[in-house]
Parts: sequence; structure tokens; C-alpha cells
Amino acid sequence: GAGVSQSPRYKVAKRGQDVALRCDPISGHVSLFWYQQALGQGPEFLTYFQNEAQLDKSGLPSDRFFAERPEGSVSTLKIQRTQQEDSAVYLCASSLQGSGNTIYFGEGSWLTVV
Amino acid sequence: QKEVEQNSGPLSVPEGAIASLNCTYSDRVSQSFFWYRQYSGKSPELIMSIYSNGDKEDGRFTAQLNKASQYVSLLIRDSQPSDSATYLCAVNLPGNQFYFGTGTSLTVIP
Repeated sequence: GAGVSQSPRYKVAKRGQDVALRCDPISGHVSLFWYQQALGQGPEFLTYFQNEAQLDKSGLPSDRFFAERPEGSVSTLKIQRTQQEDSAVYLCASSLQGSGNTIYFGEGSWLTVV
Repeated sequence: QKEVEQNSGPLSVPEGAIASLNCTYSDRVSQSFFWYRQYSGKSPELIMSIYSNGDKEDGRFTAQLNKASQYVSLLIRDSQPSDSATYLCAVNLPGNQFYFGTGTSLTVIP
């Protein structure tokens, strides 16, 4: 695709509900990143894939957060038993393979937990 | 200590002035450096990347990198009201990890 596509753009979840956020990276981009951005803060790293391999998941805040990219293209970030503190924008980004390549962001998925 | 530190601002400059944004990073093995602009409610968009010491100019924007001091800056010349946004500094570590600062909020006053 022309850019990184994320869905849903907006999600309101009741506390305790599970949510799944989808990211479709730029065609041909090997690397895929998930970030969490709270209001007034910079993007906080969550996890990183190279193709289907999850090379770094050190930023996932708890075991309620899970990400996958089974075929090396589309990725899903799943949050189980959502809590109010999970309310944030979840940004997906992709890049060509290798360090030093620019990462390009999608428009984000805005999650509000009530 | 966070990987990337930025002054959160807000920074206000009059239209036509030079805006100076600063960033320090903690990891000496950082390889690549990026400035992103983020308008309110939008996702970050790339302004400039810089990989080696010195200055890199692109239009009204100049990025400056000093690896010895672990410092990277962004200068915006002839600032315009449309430049009002949050500016995010990012560093790329070996292993392709990207870390962002908290951002500096810039307001250009007409």
C-alpha cells in the first residue's frame, strides 16, 4: 500500500474487554514497530518485528499485551483485560530492512478504556 | 535515564525568527538520528535524518550532530505559524531499535 494503514482508528473499550489493533505496513517493508503514545508524551517503544520474527518485545508493559506478525506482513497488537491506563494512541511504523532506515508511521489507533 | 532527552518546552518564537530545538541521547552506539514533526492529533512525520557529525541542511531546516557530546539539534529558519507543532527527536540503535524523546512543543507567533 501507499502508506502504513491501521485499524480501527478509534476504539472505546470497557475495562476488562480484549481489543485487537491491526497494522498493514508499507509494501516491501521488512521491519515493523509498535509504539504507545500517551497524551503529551513521546512514542514509547513496545515491540519490533523483522519479517515474522519478533526480535524485541522489551517494551510491552505487561503480559496482557501480545503482538504477532505471522506471515511477515500484517501485524496485530492484542491487549487483554484492558485497564484505564491502557488508554493511549497505538502507533505502528514500518521501515526497509536494516538500521538507519527511516521509519514511517500510520495514523494510529486511539484506544479509550472506560 | 531515558535514552533520549528533550526539553518539553513550550518554546515560542515570533514569525520569521530562528527556532532552536535540542536533544541529547545516552547510548554512544547510536547510529542514526531523526527529527519528526507531530501536529496535534496526527502521527509523526519525518523532517530530517542525520548520520554523521556536522550540519545537514534541507530548505529552512538544519540538523546538527555532535557524537562526542551526544547531542543533536534542529534549527528552523524563517519560522512560520505552520511550523507550530511538537518536534520529536529519535535515535536508532544497532539492532534497529528506535527510541523517541518526549518532544518539544513549538509555537510560532504571527
